[in-house]
Order: sequence, then C-alpha cells, then structure tokens
Amino acid sequence: QQQVKQSPQSLIVQKGGISIINCAYENTAFDYFPWYQQFPGKGPALLIAIRPDVSEKKEGRFTISFNKSAKQFSLHIMDSQPGDSATYFCAATPYNQGGKLIFGQGTELSVKP
Amino acid sequence: GAGVSQSPRYKVTKRGQDVALRCDPISGHVSLYWYRQALGQGPEFLTYFNYEAQQDKSGLPNDRFSAERPEGSISTLTIQRTEQRDSAMYRCASSADLAGRETQYFGPGTRLLVL
Repeated sequence: QQQVKQSPQSLIVQKGGISIINCAYENTAFDYFPWYQQFPGKGPALLIAIRPDVSEKKEGRFTISFNKSAKQFSLHIMDSQPGDSATYFCAATPYNQGGKLIFGQGTELSVKP
Repeated sequence: GAGVSQSPRYKVTKRGQDVALRCDPISGHVSLYWYRQALGQGPEFLTYFNYEAQQDKSGLPNDRFSAERPEGSISTLTIQRTEQRDSAMYRCASSADLAGRETQYFGPGTRLLVL
C-alpha cells in the first residue's frame, strides 16, 4: 500500500511555540522523505528532506525526526513565526521509482502573533 | 532564473471537451512530473518523464488521460472527453536529478473546471 498518513489536519500555535506535524507510512520500500511547504495560491516548495539512514536532520528552525522501526517521521518547527503559516505536506518516494512523490493529506498551520 | 511555468493558469471547459495542459520545466531539468491536487488535499502523482521517456504512468486515472514530452523539455497533459470529476488543480514539477532525490520544483498549476 503506497500511502502516507499525516496528522493533525490543522494546527494553531502561538508565536514562539513549537509546531509538530506527524506522518506515518506502511510501505517499507520508501527511501526518501521530504517535507513541502505550500502558501495559498502557490505550488509546494521543498522545505527539508531526510533519508532513512539517519534519525534526525535539522536545518535552521526546522527539524525532521525519523523513526524507521515505527515507520513514522515528524516535522518540528521551533520558535514558530506568523510567516510560517502555511500548509505542510509530508511525502515519501519509493525506492527505484524515480522521484515519484506520495504525499500526505496536509496540515494547515496557523501561527498566532 | 525562471521557474516552472504552466499554461493556461485557469481553464473552464464543458463536459465532453478535450483539454491540453502545458508545462514548461526549468531549463536543463531532465525529469518532469505531473500531479493532481484536489482542494484541501495533497498532490496526487499522475506520471513522470526522464528526458522524453515516460517512466511511470501508473497514476493516470484512466485512458482519457495521456501525457507526452516529445523533445525532453515541454510537456503536455491531455484529458479527453472531460468529466466533472476531472476538475482539480493540475501541477507540474521538474527536477535536475534522474534518481528523484533532489528538489522537485513545482509550477503554479492549472486550475481546471469542468462544467
């Protein structure tokens, strides 16, 4: 089953707080896990990505935590800012299927000032 | 530099008509992907090309959908005999990487409305 399940569907966080979005997958053939950020009226843009041989990757305020045995990964946004308000999608790419992205359902994040 | 462009940005058509959606990838990008995104949902994979070769069309919903990239650059997604359920945002993405482990750059999309 090529599916990625994402939660929560929506999230409200105060400025300066931590935003956490979770994803789970079933297909063990996934070997690349990117997160995309999408602003209204725009296409998705790559935020950060991880491969299953590492458990964590950090870029600035954004961190991916990856748990291979649980088949789960999450995005943490530290010191959340109103400008982070957007829809976030986790995704996964199956091994040996090029860059075919299987997306989660999305999380609409709103950061309140 | 120029990003991925798509045209038209909006298309309204009547049920039963054929439509052609165009994607101009970033210059030099070897891989090109088509996705469909329903409102409030994540993009859904349709098909992709490496150069001019269609590598995977497993996501095309049925045989009314087809895509081509004859010269390894511009791509066209064609929907024949459109139906109301085809209404969605159609997005194109391109990548410099054949293995698909580098960034996919998405275009602004074509919003298709079938009446």
